[in-house]
Amino acid sequence: EVQLVESGGGLVQPGRSLRLSCTASGFTFGDYAMSWVRQAPGKGLEWVGFIRSKAYGGTTEYAASVKGRFTISRDDSKSIAYLQMNSLKTEDTAVYYCTKIQLWLYSFDYWGQGTLVTVSS
Amino acid sequence: DIQMTQSPSSVSASVGDRVTITCRASQGISSWLAWYQQKPGKAPKLLIYAASSLQSGVPSRFSGSGSGTDFTLTISSLQPEDFATYYCQQANSPFTFGPGTKVDIK
Repeated sequence: EVQLVESGGGLVQPGRSLRLSCTASGFTFGDYAMSWVRQAPGKGLEWVGFIRSKAYGGTTEYAASVKGRFTISRDDSKSIAYLQMNSLKTEDTAVYYCTKIQLWLYSFDYWGQGTLVTVSS
Repeated sequence: DIQMTQSPSSVSASVGDRVTITCRASQGISSWLAWYQQKPGKAPKLLIYAASSLQSGVPSRFSGSGSGTDFTLTISSLQPEDFATYYCQQANSPFTFGPGTKVDIK
């Protein structure tokens, strides 16, 4: 059974940093691209970024709203994906979901339960 | 970036009704489109990928169609567990989601 478990959320002041983790199980983590999607309170879904598998260079892409501030990385030996968030803004307040990307299709076929990040002074 | 719109933004329907939701892309995306269902307080769930392929375990009352810029999600006979918000997502990076369609009880 595929499971994705996010951790690391919490309350943080504007301008500070936070790192989220996504621990995966139930599939060969290294074979898949992984993504982060967020949802501000009462709002819709917003894609944050993704990281390709090592077979495709392990490269990353980001939404314009977080580019230069957020960094996605992965540790295939531990089956963990990370989201490093720097220079946080109040508008980054959201539930952050880790997702597994379907091979070739770039749909998000499995989601974690989400972790809440609140950026407030 | 490709912008996604959905209509209607909300729909009130009864159990047994046929419900159709439309998603439009600001430029052609071939069949690179997915649909998700989200219930309050829960993570989204993939229903349809590649515009018309049913994700494993999803009931056959859900179907998707379209290509290019115009897509539809159809629920052939609405069930109580289908009351939720539905999102489309285009699968060309940078990925984008539609604003959502809330299906509630009439």
